Amino acid sequence: EIVLTQSPGTLSLFPGERATLSCRASQSVSISYLAWYQQKPGQAPRLLIYGASSRATGIPDRFSGSASGTDFTLTISRLEPEDFAVYYCHQSRSSPFSFGQGTKVGIK
Amino acid sequence: QVQLQESGPGLVKPSETLSLTCTVSGGSISSYYWSWIRQAPGKGLEWIGYIYHSGRANYNPSLKSRVTMSVDTSKSQFSLRLSSVTAADTAVYYCARGVVLWSGEPHLQYMDVWGKGTTVTVSS
Repeated sequence: EIVLTQSPGTLSLFPGERATLSCRASQSVSISYLAWYQQKPGQAPRLLIYGASSRATGIPDRFSGSASGTDFTLTISRLEPEDFAVYYCHQSRSSPFSFGQGTKVGIK
Repeated sequence: QVQLQESGPGLVKPSETLSLTCTVSGGSISSYYWSWIRQAPGKGLEWIGYIYHSGRANYNPSLKSRVTMSVDTSKSQFSLRLSSVTAADTAVYYCARGVVLWSGEPHLQYMDVWGKGTTVTVSS
């Protein structure tokens, strides 16, 4: 089973700042099968990034994803007020599919 | 625009079976995987399993002995049954569409459309 470990657990930033979220896999994950989701309170998760670096339809270009080995990164270049939320990474290459525990991006 | 809507009882008694249905509108149920994910109160996301439009299913081993999924293409619906529920099964249950990546065989690449979720409480 692939375990995804996200860090930090919580990130407190000002609007306009850059956010860097990390997701480390316990074993190799093909970049094709690594996605990032955003979840706001009381809402369903929303797909942001798939294939480690491809933005989903309608996602602003301030969101970007990258990969290096078993390390995956989600970067938000300049935080907008609507970006404060919880972010999850997810792998669908190996069953059971798994999610990271989430990183909460909060307003400082 | 594809939309998913979960439906089913919001309250289930311990030891009984939880049954949920997800209705797909605005698009075809064919050529996609269809997943169930849940989120316990204040917790993260847990993948329950998926079913392909053909009926082939794959479940999380942690729930496999209690989970059954089915798909009804004529009604554009897919369903989840979880037996012998306990309070630990109390959660928001989401259905989601899985996009297929062909790599020799169809593989679920990512989940692009989600339902709004339905809250299920297990309590007597």
